[in-house]
Amino acid sequence: GAVVSQHPSWVICKSGTSVKIECRSLDFQATTMFWYRQFPKQSLMLMATSNEGSKATYEQGVEKDKFLINHASLTLSTLTVTSAHPEDSSFYICSARDLRLVTTNEKLFFGSGTQLSVL
Amino acid sequence: DQQVKQNSPSLSVQEGRISILNCDYTNSMFDYFLWYKKYPAEGPTFLISISSIKDKNEDGRFTVFLNKSAKHLSLHIVPSQPGDSAVYFCGAMDSSYKLIFGSGTRLLVRP
Repeated sequence: GAVVSQHPSWVICKSGTSVKIECRSLDFQATTMFWYRQFPKQSLMLMATSNEGSKATYEQGVEKDKFLINHASLTLSTLTVTSAHPEDSSFYICSARDLRLVTTNEKLFFGSGTQLSVL
Repeated sequence: DQQVKQNSPSLSVQEGRISILNCDYTNSMFDYFLWYKKYPAEGPTFLISISSIKDKNEDGRFTVFLNKSAKHLSLHIVPSQPGDSAVYFCGAMDSSYKLIFGSGTRLLVRP
């Protein structure tokens, strides 16, 4: 199946710094990628839809200036957590849609996630 | 407002028996439903899916049932194995491929 690579898998940073997370579709092009966040023992919450060549669409309650999304190419979307604070500590996961596989049962392919810990 | 709900946070079953995980949704625009298995600090693993035009889909030990009128779906695992122990998320998708997850059900299969 299609592969989505997410990097880094784990990051620790100081409060006030910015952290960038990359999501790459390795063997396919993805005009649309999605970013999710999961707090411990909670659900995966959709944060935003990343569209190649255009602005991201954010879900209600997600601060677009806090979570900057850039989808500059068909294989890469980045999520930057700006001025991170301890409450931003969470597990961030991206997913991508493979346009070639229009009939696949899986529909979306997920990265392995990034555990962010803000001290 | 939760569009996708999994009302049972946990489920414990004996090895070899059937596990039934339930999921309800509210948005009638959802037309595709998926089940995932997930471990902590890992991405979700796709298990099985079903289109809204069907009411049942089977893949090995996993079967998903969809009751569109009740906006309810369920995942049956039979026979359950200890390796099935994990958190299971149901997800609902509309035509934009936006996937909304339920809150998850932690399944424990006892040997």
